[in-house]
Amino acid sequence: GQQLNQSPQSMFIQEGEDVSMNCTSSSIFNTWLWYKQDPGEGPVLLIALYKAGELTSNGRLTAQFGITRKDSFLNISASIPSDVGIYFCAGRSESNFGNEKLTFGTGTRLTIIP
Amino acid sequence: NAGVTQTPKFRILKIGQSMTLQCTQDMNHNYMYWYRQDPGMGLKLIYYSVGAGITDKGEVPNGYNVSRSTTEDFPLRLELAAPSQTSVYFCASSPRNTNEQFFGPGTRLTVL
Repeated sequence: GQQLNQSPQSMFIQEGEDVSMNCTSSSIFNTWLWYKQDPGEGPVLLIALYKAGELTSNGRLTAQFGITRKDSFLNISASIPSDVGIYFCAGRSESNFGNEKLTFGTGTRLTIIP
Repeated sequence: NAGVTQTPKFRILKIGQSMTLQCTQDMNHNYMYWYRQDPGMGLKLIYYSVGAGITDKGEVPNGYNVSRSTTEDFPLRLELAAPSQTSVYFCASSPRNTNEQFFGPGTRLTVL
């Protein structure tokens, strides 16, 4: 089946630092999504990308749909304590058009060191 | 709108017991999904539905069953609980022709 490799698995940063994480796929995706999950809650959609090369921002978050359509990147600028959580990438391939099934990455756990 | 709601929030089962995890959405979304999330892992798709009366298997369907009699409800049934089904279960929904899935708060299930 399709696989998404998400890196890094975990990050330990200080408040105010910028964060970068990425996701790569073994196959071409038509859609990339980035979610954040807080402890004990369901994932919440942050950004959706629908076009190769697309760069989209949501406040301090910026995500890009890779030109090859096999990767995506998420950047967080000037991190704050509420950014702590697990970030998941998800993608949809052309073969899943019509059922909108997503493949999820294994997540990047972000921790802010006091 | 309440969005996607799931009940119960927590449940402990004994091996061999059965239960139904409830999922309801009030956004009139056509598509609904059930995922399981094991510790430190991503989400694995169990079953999905593209509309009332239509369901299909996902990546890890063994040991589970679903039904979709209405647009709003998508219950997940465990018939013979096994320790391997200890996990957190998430229900999600999305409108037709978008990939933006909205998740419920999850059900944490432990099978002993």
